[in-house]
Amino acid sequence: EIALTQSPATLSLSPGERATLSCRASQSVSSSLAWYQQKPGQVPRLLVYDSSNRATGIPARFSGSGSGTDFTLTISSLEPEDFAVYYCQQRYDWPITFGQGTRLEIK
Amino acid sequence: QLQLQESGPGLVKPSETLSLTCTVSGGSISGSLSYWGWIRQPPGKGLEWIGSIYYSGSTYYNPSLKSRVTISVDTSKNQFSLRLSSVTAADTAVYFCARRPRTGTYSYYFDYWGQGTLVTVSS
Repeated sequence: EIALTQSPATLSLSPGERATLSCRASQSVSSSLAWYQQKPGQVPRLLVYDSSNRATGIPARFSGSGSGTDFTLTISSLEPEDFAVYYCQQRYDWPITFGQGTRLEIK
Repeated sequence: QLQLQESGPGLVKPSETLSLTCTVSGGSISGSLSYWGWIRQPPGKGLEWIGSIYYSGSTYYNPSLKSRVTISVDTSKNQFSLRLSSVTAADTAVYFCARRPRTGTYSYYFDYWGQGTLVTVSS
């Protein structure tokens, strides 16, 4: 099973700041990694797929990068609606696994 | 627009079997070349993939739950179902159904989700 470790667990920033979230895989997943955003009481929403491709309707301030075992989700300038929990997920191999999440909170 | 909706009891007793159904509308389970899956989220915690089924009936389960999980599909009703046996309090969670397309832009990622249903295991 491929384990995904996200860091930090919690990130406290202010609107307008840059956010950098990390996801590390226990073995290579090539570029087969996605990022999801989940707000309280809501369903996870696909943000980025295949490491660096934004899903339809996702603002350009969200960008993903990485390959192999190290991946990054960057939010260039935080908007109030970006404060949420972010999960990474690999599709490289069964079983499908998610990271434990990074909570992005307002400082 | 594809929509998924979970249904089933919100309260299950310990040692009993949790049963949920996901009804798909706005598209055909058998025509979409997709995997249909279940994901759960304990209160305040992260996401855990439970298992997936292909429209043909092939199943894939999380090894940590495999001995207790059965996922089935009923293409005539455009539904798929989850059964989780011998539940304990640790199985209390919001259960989501979701689509994982096998082709297209988002292939193998979860692109459509149900709203989720809270299942509490308690006597």
